[in-house]
Amino acid sequence: DIQMTQSPSSLSASVGDRVTITCRASQTISSYLNWYQQKPGKAPKLLIYAASSLQSGVPSRFSGSGSGTDFTLTISSLQPEDFATYYCQQSYSTPGGITFGPGTKVDIK
Amino acid sequence: QVQLVESGGGVVQPGRSLRLSCAASGFTFSSYGMHWVRQAPGKGLEWVAVIWYDGSNKYYADSVKGRFTISRDNSKNTLYLQMNSLRVEDTAVYYCARDPTRMATILYYFDYWGQGTLVTVSS
Repeated sequence: DIQMTQSPSSLSASVGDRVTITCRASQTISSYLNWYQQKPGKAPKLLIYAASSLQSGVPSRFSGSGSGTDFTLTISSLQPEDFATYYCQQSYSTPGGITFGPGTKVDIK
Repeated sequence: QVQLVESGGGVVQPGRSLRLSCAASGFTFSSYGMHWVRQAPGKGLEWVAVIWYDGSNKYYADSVKGRFTISRDNSKNTLYLQMNSLRVEDTAVYYCARDPTRMATILYYFDYWGQGTLVTVSS
């Protein structure tokens, strides 16, 4: 299986901060990388697909970049509603090898 | 609007069975591939299974292969997960989720999710 790692595992930030989360795959996955946001007690929400495509309805302060093994999710100006856990997910190893990263928790400084 | 509503979770003893359902509305269910994804308490996300829009293909994570069966009834707009030989490590919130493509190759990411149903396997 392709292993996904994320860094940091958690971070504290203030409203208005620029936040960057990194996701790394154990082997190349081209651009088959997706990002989700999850708030406590809620289902995950798709933010970015195919490494850099913004899902419809997601604010433009969210952006994704990268290809191969290294990817980033950037929040350009953190808003109160952005405090959540963020997961990356590779959709390269199909049909049965889909994996998620362990998550990055973003909380209030 | 797209809605996915899971049901069927509960407490079950190890070795027993349970069937989860996911009722879909707000889109043409029969045109989309569907997935189950689970999340153990306080843990990360784990993909479980996928079924093609017409039920022609099904794939599973190694951790559930041979024990779980994904199916769908397009006439009822409902997705199912039959879980047999349940283990303590199957304890999780189970989400159904939609694949974004219509009647084409599965893309293996998830554009809509249900609210989840909790399965607890305990003696």
